[in-house]
Amino acid sequence: DQQVKQNSPSLSVQEGRISILNCDYTNSMFDYFLWYKKYPAEGPTFLISISSIKDKNEDGRFTVFLNKSAKHLSLHIVPSQPGDSAVYFCVASDPNAGNMLTFGGGTRLMVKP
Amino acid sequence: ETGVTQSPTHLIKTRGQQVTLRCSSQSGHNTVSWYQQALGQGPQFIFQYYREEENGRGNFPPRFSGLQFPNYSSELNVNALELDDSALYLCASSLVRLSSGANVLTFGAGSRLTVL
Repeated sequence: DQQVKQNSPSLSVQEGRISILNCDYTNSMFDYFLWYKKYPAEGPTFLISISSIKDKNEDGRFTVFLNKSAKHLSLHIVPSQPGDSAVYFCVASDPNAGNMLTFGGGTRLMVKP
Repeated sequence: ETGVTQSPTHLIKTRGQQVTLRCSSQSGHNTVSWYQQALGQGPQFIFQYYREEENGRGNFPPRFSGLQFPNYSSELNVNALELDDSALYLCASSLVRLSSGANVLTFGAGSRLTVL
Protein backbone atom coordinates (compact mmCIF):
# COMPACT_ATOMS: atom_id res chain seq x y z
CA ASP A 1 0.00 0.00 0.00
CA GLN A 2 1.36 3.38 -1.02
CA GLN A 3 0.95 5.78 1.88
CA VAL A 4 2.38 8.74 -0.04
CA LYS A 5 1.35 9.23 -3.64
CA GLN A 6 2.52 11.62 -6.29
CA ASN A 7 0.12 11.07 -9.14
CA SER A 8 1.96 13.13 -11.73
CA PRO A 9 5.16 11.39 -12.80
CA SER A 10 6.27 14.43 -14.78
CA LEU A 11 5.56 18.14 -15.15
CA SER A 12 6.79 20.61 -17.73
CA VAL A 13 6.75 24.35 -17.03
CA GLN A 14 8.04 27.45 -18.78
CA GLU A 15 10.78 29.42 -17.07
CA GLY A 16 9.37 32.20 -14.92
CA ARG A 17 6.00 30.53 -14.43
CA ILE A 18 4.73 28.72 -11.35
CA SER A 19 5.37 25.01 -10.81
CA ILE A 20 2.86 23.15 -8.65
CA LEU A 21 3.71 19.66 -7.49
CA ASN A 22 1.02 17.68 -5.71
CA CYS A 23 1.07 14.90 -3.16
CA ASP A 24 -1.59 12.84 -1.36
CA TYR A 25 -1.17 10.69 1.72
CA THR A 26 -3.28 8.19 3.58
CA ASN A 27 -1.74 7.93 7.08
CA SER A 28 -3.26 10.58 9.35
CA MET A 29 -0.51 9.95 11.93
CA PHE A 30 2.19 11.57 9.79
CA ASP A 31 3.44 14.62 11.71
CA TYR A 32 5.92 16.21 9.33
CA PHE A 33 6.09 16.45 5.59
CA LEU A 34 9.20 17.19 3.60
CA TRP A 35 10.12 17.78 0.01
CA TYR A 36 13.38 16.47 -1.37
CA LYS A 37 14.92 17.27 -4.73
CA LYS A 38 17.11 14.86 -6.67
CA TYR A 39 19.43 15.57 -9.55
CA PRO A 40 20.83 12.68 -11.65
CA ALA A 41 23.81 10.93 -10.06
CA GLU A 42 23.27 12.75 -6.76
CA GLY A 43 21.47 11.84 -3.58
CA PRO A 44 18.19 13.54 -2.67
CA THR A 45 18.63 16.91 -0.97
CA PHE A 46 16.26 18.46 1.53
CA LEU A 47 14.23 21.37 0.21
CA ILE A 48 11.51 22.39 2.65
CA SER A 49 9.34 20.89 5.38
CA ILE A 50 6.05 21.58 7.12
CA SER A 51 4.65 20.45 10.43
CA SER A 52 1.21 18.88 10.45
CA ILE A 53 0.02 21.67 12.75
CA LYS A 54 0.64 24.28 10.07
CA ASP A 55 -0.96 24.85 6.70
CA LYS A 56 1.78 26.81 4.96
CA ASN A 57 5.53 27.20 5.04
CA GLU A 58 7.51 29.48 2.79
CA ASP A 59 11.21 29.63 1.98
CA GLY A 60 12.19 31.98 -0.80
CA ARG A 61 10.72 30.76 -4.08
CA PHE A 62 9.40 27.59 -2.46
CA THR A 63 6.11 27.30 -0.57
CA VAL A 64 4.51 24.16 0.76
CA PHE A 65 0.78 24.03 1.50
CA LEU A 66 -0.85 21.38 3.67
CA ASN A 67 -4.55 20.50 3.68
CA LYS A 68 -4.93 17.99 6.50
CA SER A 69 -8.63 17.36 5.98
CA ALA A 70 -7.96 16.39 2.38
CA LYS A 71 -4.65 14.67 3.24
CA HIS A 72 -3.06 16.67 0.47
CA LEU A 73 0.00 18.84 0.16
CA SER A 74 1.54 20.79 -2.63
CA LEU A 75 4.85 22.45 -3.41
CA HIS A 76 4.79 25.75 -5.28
CA ILE A 77 7.90 27.07 -6.99
CA VAL A 78 7.67 30.60 -8.26
CA PRO A 79 9.26 31.78 -10.42
CA SER A 80 10.51 28.48 -11.83
CA GLN A 81 14.07 28.36 -13.11
CA PRO A 82 15.82 25.89 -15.42
CA GLY A 83 18.03 24.84 -12.50
CA ASP A 84 14.90 23.61 -10.71
CA SER A 85 14.65 20.77 -13.24
CA ALA A 86 14.94 17.64 -11.09
CA VAL A 87 12.89 14.86 -9.54
CA TYR A 88 10.92 16.04 -6.51
CA PHE A 89 9.93 13.62 -3.77
CA CYS A 90 7.12 14.21 -1.32
CA VAL A 91 8.09 12.63 2.00
CA ALA A 92 6.19 12.00 5.22
CA SER A 93 7.53 11.35 8.71
CA ASP A 94 5.83 8.83 10.99
CA PRO A 95 6.38 9.49 14.73
CA ASN A 96 4.99 6.04 15.54
CA ALA A 97 7.74 4.39 13.50
CA GLY A 98 10.85 6.13 14.81
CA ASN A 99 10.29 9.09 12.49
CA MET A 100 10.77 6.79 9.53
CA LEU A 101 10.45 8.65 6.24
CA THR A 102 8.01 7.42 3.61
CA PHE A 103 8.69 8.66 0.08
CA GLY A 104 6.29 9.19 -2.77
CA GLY A 105 7.20 7.97 -6.23
CA GLY A 106 8.51 11.35 -7.34
CA THR A 107 7.59 13.94 -9.97
CA ARG A 108 10.10 14.88 -12.65
CA LEU A 109 9.96 18.65 -13.16
CA MET A 110 11.29 20.10 -16.39
CA VAL A 111 11.60 23.88 -16.57
CA LYS A 112 12.04 25.03 -20.15
CA PRO A 113 14.03 28.20 -20.88
CA GLU B 1 31.77 19.72 6.86
CA THR B 2 31.94 16.51 4.85
CA GLY B 3 28.78 15.02 3.47
CA VAL B 4 27.68 11.40 3.22
CA THR B 5 29.93 9.24 1.09
CA GLN B 6 29.11 5.79 -0.25
CA SER B 7 31.15 3.04 -1.88
CA PRO B 8 31.23 1.47 -4.33
CA THR B 9 29.31 3.71 -6.72
CA HIS B 10 28.47 0.85 -9.08
CA LEU B 11 28.75 -2.90 -8.87
CA ILE B 12 27.49 -5.99 -10.63
CA LYS B 13 26.73 -9.26 -8.88
CA THR B 14 25.10 -12.52 -9.87
CA ARG B 15 22.06 -14.09 -8.32
CA GLY B 16 22.80 -15.89 -5.05
CA GLN B 17 25.90 -13.86 -4.24
CA GLN B 18 26.36 -11.57 -1.26
CA VAL B 19 27.15 -7.85 -1.31
CA THR B 20 28.39 -5.28 1.20
CA LEU B 21 27.83 -1.58 0.67
CA ARG B 22 29.56 1.05 2.77
CA CYS B 23 28.68 4.49 3.99
CA SER B 24 30.43 7.28 5.90
CA SER B 25 28.02 9.54 7.72
CA GLN B 26 28.15 13.31 7.74
CA SER B 27 30.34 14.65 10.51
CA GLY B 28 28.37 15.13 13.73
CA HIS B 29 25.51 12.83 12.73
CA ASN B 30 24.69 9.85 14.97
CA THR B 31 21.96 8.08 13.03
CA VAL B 32 22.25 6.28 9.73
CA SER B 33 19.51 4.83 7.58
CA TRP B 34 19.44 2.92 4.33
CA TYR B 35 16.99 3.17 1.48
CA GLN B 36 16.42 1.13 -1.68
CA GLN B 37 15.36 3.00 -4.80
CA ALA B 38 14.17 0.83 -7.66
CA LEU B 39 14.07 2.32 -11.13
CA GLY B 40 11.26 4.85 -11.51
CA GLN B 41 10.20 4.66 -7.87
CA GLY B 42 10.81 6.59 -4.70
CA PRO B 43 13.30 5.41 -2.08
CA GLN B 44 11.99 2.74 0.30
CA PHE B 45 13.17 2.57 3.91
CA ILE B 46 15.22 -0.52 4.72
CA PHE B 47 16.40 0.16 8.28
CA GLN B 48 17.90 2.71 10.62
CA TYR B 49 20.73 2.49 13.13
CA TYR B 50 21.29 4.62 16.21
CA ARG B 51 24.12 4.00 18.67
CA GLU B 52 25.10 0.88 16.75
CA GLU B 53 21.70 -0.75 17.18
CA GLU B 54 18.92 -1.20 14.66
CA ASN B 55 16.00 0.95 15.83
CA GLY B 56 13.65 0.80 12.89
CA ARG B 57 13.07 -1.50 9.94
CA GLY B 58 10.98 -1.38 6.81
CA ASN B 59 9.38 -4.26 4.95
CA PHE B 60 12.59 -6.04 3.95
CA PRO B 61 13.55 -9.68 4.61
CA PRO B 62 16.26 -10.69 7.10
CA ARG B 63 18.78 -11.26 4.31
CA PHE B 64 19.11 -7.47 4.39
CA SER B 65 21.26 -6.66 7.41
CA GLY B 66 23.41 -3.82 8.57
CA LEU B 67 26.00 -2.53 10.96
CA GLN B 68 26.81 0.85 12.42
CA PHE B 69 30.31 1.38 13.77
CA PRO B 70 31.47 3.61 16.67
CA ASN B 71 32.61 6.24 14.18
CA TYR B 72 29.03 6.25 12.80
CA SER B 73 30.03 4.69 9.50
CA SER B 74 27.76 1.91 8.33
CA GLU B 75 27.44 -1.17 6.16
CA LEU B 76 24.50 -2.71 4.35
CA ASN B 77 24.79 -6.43 3.66
CA VAL B 78 22.52 -8.34 1.34
CA ASN B 79 22.74 -12.13 1.19
CA ALA B 80 21.39 -14.51 -1.46
CA LEU B 81 20.94 -11.76 -4.02
CA GLU B 82 17.85 -11.83 -6.20
CA LEU B 83 17.25 -10.11 -9.53
CA ASP B 84 14.77 -7.74 -7.86
CA ASP B 85 17.53 -6.47 -5.57
CA SER B 86 18.86 -4.49 -8.53
CA ALA B 87 18.45 -0.88 -7.41
CA LEU B 88 20.13 2.27 -6.16
CA TYR B 89 20.96 1.93 -2.47
CA LEU B 90 21.00 5.22 -0.63
CA CYS B 91 22.58 5.86 2.73
CA ALA B 92 21.43 8.83 4.79
CA SER B 93 22.60 10.26 8.08
CA SER B 94 20.96 12.56 10.56
CA LEU B 95 21.27 13.90 14.07
CA VAL B 96 18.68 12.62 16.52
CA ARG B 97 16.94 15.60 18.02
CA LEU B 98 15.74 15.69 21.60
CA SER B 99 13.05 18.18 20.66
CA SER B 100 10.39 17.56 18.10
CA GLY B 101 11.09 18.41 14.52
CA ALA B 102 11.35 16.95 11.09
CA ASN B 103 13.97 14.23 10.75
CA VAL B 104 16.01 15.85 8.00
CA LEU B 105 18.28 13.33 6.36
CA THR B 106 21.47 14.01 4.42
CA PHE B 107 21.81 11.50 1.61
CA GLY B 108 24.79 10.10 -0.18
CA ALA B 109 24.83 9.69 -3.96
CA GLY B 110 24.11 5.98 -3.68
CA SER B 111 25.51 2.65 -4.77
CA ARG B 112 23.94 1.22 -7.90
CA LEU B 113 23.68 -2.56 -7.67
CA THR B 114 22.92 -4.70 -10.69
CA VAL B 115 22.11 -8.37 -10.12
CA LEU B 116 22.40 -10.62 -13.17
